Amino acid sequence: AQSVSQHNHHVILSEAASLELGCNYSYGGTVNLFWYVQYPGQHLQLLLKYFSGDPLVKGIKGFEAEFIKSKFSFNLRKPSVQWSDTAEYFCAVIPHGSSNTGKLIFGQGTTLQVKP
Amino acid sequence: SAVISQKPSRDICQRGTSLTIQCQVDSQVTMMFWYRQQPGQSLTLIATANQGSEATYESGFVIDKFPISRPNLTFSTLTVSNMSPEDSSIYLCSVQVGLNQPQHFGDGTRLSIL
Repeated sequence: AQSVSQHNHHVILSEAASLELGCNYSYGGTVNLFWYVQYPGQHLQLLLKYFSGDPLVKGIKGFEAEFIKSKFSFNLRKPSVQWSDTAEYFCAVIPHGSSNTGKLIFGQGTTLQVKP
Repeated sequence: SAVISQKPSRDICQRGTSLTIQCQVDSQVTMMFWYRQQPGQSLTLIATANQGSEATYESGFVIDKFPISRPNLTFSTLTVSNMSPEDSSIYLCSVQVGLNQPQHFGDGTRLSIL
């Protein structure tokens, strides 16, 4: 079955530290890839997306993600985190055959806590 | 992106009752979806709400338990029927403006069943 795996469930960093959250998926075909973020008390928001083209994708708030097809990975990075980045982060995939159905498959989520 | 309003934001219900959750979008959208997020778990797609026809349910979800309506391109409802404590979850509506566009989510409905 298609699945998405996020390596870290809970990450604690100090401000200005660099961030990398891992995401791997199990699907051999073409995929659309997403990172969503949920800040405390708020709804899920789209952080960035990959559909095609440059595998290095830049999103909002200084986040970026790199799609490595050979590794089935789409890791999220930020060079210097801020306290306001404290949130839960979800990696999600749409297998291309599902682009008409829009079935998003989510990873388990990673809780990021940034200490001031 | 579309503005999504979901009501109620939370509710506490008695076992055996049913609750209908509403999702209203401020613009016409191609696709609307309903997800469930059980405590401590990730989001799982329940069904795709199809305008003018029956919803498309994912494996493990059935129409009798989760009837869905979508009378037009801006509104959908999800009913959680004959609720049990196992139905305690956050239920989320999402919309997709067009094909090959990302989904955007509502605030969710936090449902607790006693």
